Amino acid sequence: GENVEQHPSTLSVQEGDSAVIKCTYSDSASNYFPWYKQELGKRPQLIIDIRSNVGEKKDQRIAVTLNKTAKHFSLHITETQPEDSAVYFCAASKDSWGKLQFGAGTQVVVTP
Amino acid sequence: DVKVTQSSRYLVKRTGEKVFLECVQDMDHENMFWYRQDPGLGLRLIYFSYDVKMKEKGDIPEGYSVSREKKERFSLILESASTNQTSMYLCASTTTGSWHEQYFGPGTRLTVT
Repeated sequence: GENVEQHPSTLSVQEGDSAVIKCTYSDSASNYFPWYKQELGKRPQLIIDIRSNVGEKKDQRIAVTLNKTAKHFSLHITETQPEDSAVYFCAASKDSWGKLQFGAGTQVVVTP
Repeated sequence: DVKVTQSSRYLVKRTGEKVFLECVQDMDHENMFWYRQDPGLGLRLIYFSYDVKMKEKGDIPEGYSVSREKKERFSLILESASTNQTSMYLCASTTTGSWHEQYFGPGTRLTVT
């Protein structure tokens, strides 16, 4: 089955700096790659996603890139703010039921 | 506004007890999921359902069962709770199609003593 690996497990950045989280997947049939953010004590929420026919997608300060050949995708957060502190999960999917395989998560801490 | 609710935020049970966790969604979603969240392991899929009375095993189904008698409700059952089932349990729902957001419930923190 699909296996998604996520790095780093923790990331500490200064406010205003950029943060990058990387994920790799094993199943070349995967075609949908969402990113979820989970703030402390709250439920995971989708922040951005990318489909396999697109190489890059941007939404304000966040962007995701996908390299299908290498089977990896990354989340980029620019101009980080304290409210970006959270756990971020990458995921991959290949079926019509929306079943996701999640990475282990990255704890991002933004220090003022 | 999509709403996914779970029956309890916190639950404490004894080893060997039968435990029911319930999830309800109000968006007429076809697909519902139960995940277990543990530090360093991410979200691991226990079971999912793509229709009423239909279910499929996820990655870690051992020790769990599920029930979906109505479209809006998906229950997770621990037949005989064990201490290694102490965890955060998250329910999610989505509409059919691989490119749709999963909406999560608030989670149930289960402690088995």
